[in-house]
Amino acid sequence: NAGVTQTPKFRVLKTGQSMTLLCAQDMNHEYMYWYRQDPGMGLRLIHYSVGEGTTAKGEVPDGYNVSRLKKQNFLLGLESAAPSQTSVYFCASRVGENSPLHFGNGTRLTVT
Amino acid sequence: AQTVTQSQPEMSVQEAETVTLSCTYDTSESDYYLFWYKQPPSRQMILVIRQEAYKQQNATENRFSVNFQKAAKSFSLKISDSQLGDAAMYFCAYRRGKGGADGLTFGKGTHLIIQP
Repeated sequence: NAGVTQTPKFRVLKTGQSMTLLCAQDMNHEYMYWYRQDPGMGLRLIHYSVGEGTTAKGEVPDGYNVSRLKKQNFLLGLESAAPSQTSVYFCASRVGENSPLHFGNGTRLTVT
Repeated sequence: AQTVTQSQPEMSVQEAETVTLSCTYDTSESDYYLFWYKQPPSRQMILVIRQEAYKQQNATENRFSVNFQKAAKSFSLKISDSQLGDAAMYFCAYRRGKGGADGLTFGKGTHLIIQP
């Protein structure tokens, strides 16, 4: 039982490049989330999903797109990376409304 | 929108002593959950303690306890008998009780240093 797995762990991009971060969970969780963590800012919600085929915007969605084609996977895409998107990205999931949140170990992304 | 405020960017405590981390929040909801998460240098997010707003009794988990003051919208974390392994960033977080799929709203964090 791997829990929540994020791929890759580290990545360096040049401005304007695109990439996709993958989040996979093997716990059959309905709800999945993408957060970004910046120094002195805590974690802020980018997008989330309440089930397969659904997505919704969080607090800081601009510059990101997401997809949830399969229940176990939640993809975060950057179409044209900007230095302001340099951050640590966390994926999290939970099975239902009152259940605890399980976090992945994060992806450190640097955009130069 | 809900906000969570941690007014102490950094705290330092001697090993074996007690430290209290502050958290205040703003909400118009009556049903909600509050959390404390620990993030060590490994970057892993670890749930320390959770409090349901409808419960008057303060939550405790071994050396960790909270002081939940609903009227004052305050949710402080007390760590007793501090250990070197407690050194980490600590985040306070909030979620609506009837929010369904709502994500957590986090504070900006407190960096806890344990002096040997």
